[in-house]
Amino acid sequence: DTGVSQDPRHKITKRGQNVTFRCDPISEHNRLYWYRQTLGQGPEFLTYFQNEAQLEKSRLLSDRFSAERPKGSFSTLEIQRTEQGDSAMYLCASSLTAASGRGEQYFGPGTRLTVT
Amino acid sequence: AQSVTQLDSHVSVSEGTPVLLRCNYSSSYSPSLFWYVQHPNKGLQLLLKYTSAATLVKGINGFEAEFKKSETSFHLTKPSAHMSDAAEYFCVVSEASGTYKYIFGTGTRLKVLA
Repeated sequence: DTGVSQDPRHKITKRGQNVTFRCDPISEHNRLYWYRQTLGQGPEFLTYFQNEAQLEKSRLLSDRFSAERPKGSFSTLEIQRTEQGDSAMYLCASSLTAASGRGEQYFGPGTRLTVT
Repeated sequence: AQSVTQLDSHVSVSEGTPVLLRCNYSSSYSPSLFWYVQHPNKGLQLLLKYTSAATLVKGINGFEAEFKKSETSFHLTKPSAHMSDAAEYFCVVSEASGTYKYIFGTGTRLKVLA
């Protein structure tokens, strides 16, 4: 168990550019989450996958955001036409469905995006 | 809807003294509650969780929390603070079904003074 990994750890981009982040969950975990954390705030939910199916998207996730999880393994989060307001830490988490349904989530180190 | 309120944005304690980080929750059902710690430039680490078993929950690094339904509280405590405890702490409630997504509090930054 190597934990949840995210790549890149840091990304600096110019406004209007597209960026893509990758998350590799713990291998046997079927649930995968993306959160966004801005300075001084707690993380906020963006989207959720169960296996390869994207089952929920937050209203925070505008049309410029898209996420995939092909084959139910790694996931990517793409932001098109980045804006300065997209600057944040993007966190990925994974969990395994417990018998009660309430498995705890394990977080990656995050990708810090800075849009200039 | 579920929510959590962390009552203090900053807490300062001296090394060796007790730590108390306060959290109140709002939920219409029996909640799952968690405390996570975030050290600078590191990911969120699970300290402890409550999932309707024992109301006093013991976690890692000497932390514990008590679920009090009558007070809708889940405060985090540690008898003796260590310098390495300095970090941001988040109280979290999980949805009861469906996605089981997390709702985070705004965090409490713990400072430990030598």
